[in-house]
Amino acid sequence: SAVISQKPSRDICQRGTSLTIQCQVDSQVTMMFWYRQQPGQSLTLIATANQGSEATYESGFVIDKFPISRPNLTFSTLTVSNMSPEDSSIYLCSVNKGGNYGYTFGSGTRLTVV
Amino acid sequence: KQEVTQIPAALSVPEGENLVLNCSFTDSAIYNLQWFRQDPGKGLTSLLLIQSSQREQTSGRLNASLDKSSGRSTLYIAASQPGDSATYLCAVKGGANNLFFGTGTRLTVIP
Repeated sequence: SAVISQKPSRDICQRGTSLTIQCQVDSQVTMMFWYRQQPGQSLTLIATANQGSEATYESGFVIDKFPISRPNLTFSTLTVSNMSPEDSSIYLCSVNKGGNYGYTFGSGTRLTVV
Repeated sequence: KQEVTQIPAALSVPEGENLVLNCSFTDSAIYNLQWFRQDPGKGLTSLLLIQSSQREQTSGRLNASLDKSSGRSTLYIAASQPGDSATYLCAVKGGANNLFFGTGTRLTVIP
């Protein structure tokens, strides 16, 4: 299965600022996803990162707040913009090769907004 | 919409006990089911992947079963150890690459 390197592992940020999270995969994968896990909650899909085109966002998430880049099949970034304390969560990237393959997740970014 | 439920929400057992975690889902039209482990503040580690055509998968002290028709899966952990303490999540893969997560079971193994 793929190996994902996710950075940073954690950060404490001031409200109103932005943070960019990076995920690097050790092999080419078609599908890459970004999730949010709010404190005490399960995972919620933010968007699917598409290579060469705009990301596909889930209901409740917008590009202005969570811009995503996917310049190639091994790399993606998620930016959390104009942060507020409500954005304090764990953010995770994930990949899947499609079909009956399972999902692989990054090690997560624990974000605290003060 | 697929709904995934895990019971119990939390479980505390003494070291050495065998235990079972439960996962149920409402729509049996799934590609596969995956069990994950999550340590506090960390990402997800895949433990076992069961395809929709399979009944069970084993890895070391872990055994996962799948009964697709009844919408149930169990994760059996043998001879539990303190290092097994974590939150365990099940997730089912539906069509269009949708992954539906359960609410998780927080396991504490007491030395």
